[in-house]
Amino acid sequence: GQQVMQIPQYQHVQEGEDFTTYCNSSTTLSNIQWYKQRPGGHPVFLIQLVKSGEVKKQKRLTFQFGEAKKNSSLHITATQTTDVGTYFCAGPHSGGSNYKLTFGKGTLLTVNP
Amino acid sequence: DTGVSQNPRHKITKRGQNVTFRCDPISEHNRLYWYRQTLGQGPEFLTYFQNEAQLEKSRLLSDRFSAERPKGSFSTLEIQRTEQGDSAMYLCASSRFDGEQFFGPGTRLTVL
Repeated sequence: GQQVMQIPQYQHVQEGEDFTTYCNSSTTLSNIQWYKQRPGGHPVFLIQLVKSGEVKKQKRLTFQFGEAKKNSSLHITATQTTDVGTYFCAGPHSGGSNYKLTFGKGTLLTVNP
Repeated sequence: DTGVSQNPRHKITKRGQNVTFRCDPISEHNRLYWYRQTLGQGPEFLTYFQNEAQLEKSRLLSDRFSAERPKGSFSTLEIQRTEQGDSAMYLCASSRFDGEQFFGPGTRLTVL
């Protein structure tokens, strides 16, 4: 079945350092979504990328969707303590509808102030 | 608060007991999803409803699990004869058709 893999599993940074997490799918995706889950919280939608090679920015966060639509990355510039949490990528199961998402295991980001 | 709500937030039960969780989605959302999340893992899809119709169930959802969404509003997830392996966070999410999914705070189930 479809697999979505994320690396690294954990990342600890000093406040102000940059952070990147990578996501790879075993199948071509119609879109990729990113969620953030704070410790003790629930996943919160960040963004959806649809087009091959698409790049989107949200303040210090930059999201990319690979040309082959099988990989994606999330880059955070100059991390802050508020960035702490687990970042998940998720891709829809075959068929393209968003109803059945396959999530990666996530990357847990901790930030040392 | 107009977000997704779930009750109870925590449930401790003994093995073999039945439990039922409730999810109230955002009112104008016609799709409702159930996920299960264990420590160190991403949410795993269990089932989803479009309005009152349950359109897909994951193979993870054994015959001890049943979900309903009467009248296309709130939903319930029941687990019969709970097992220790059922211990997890059960997340509900809702969306407008294929739009972004809004997650509720989850129900943490502990089976002793």
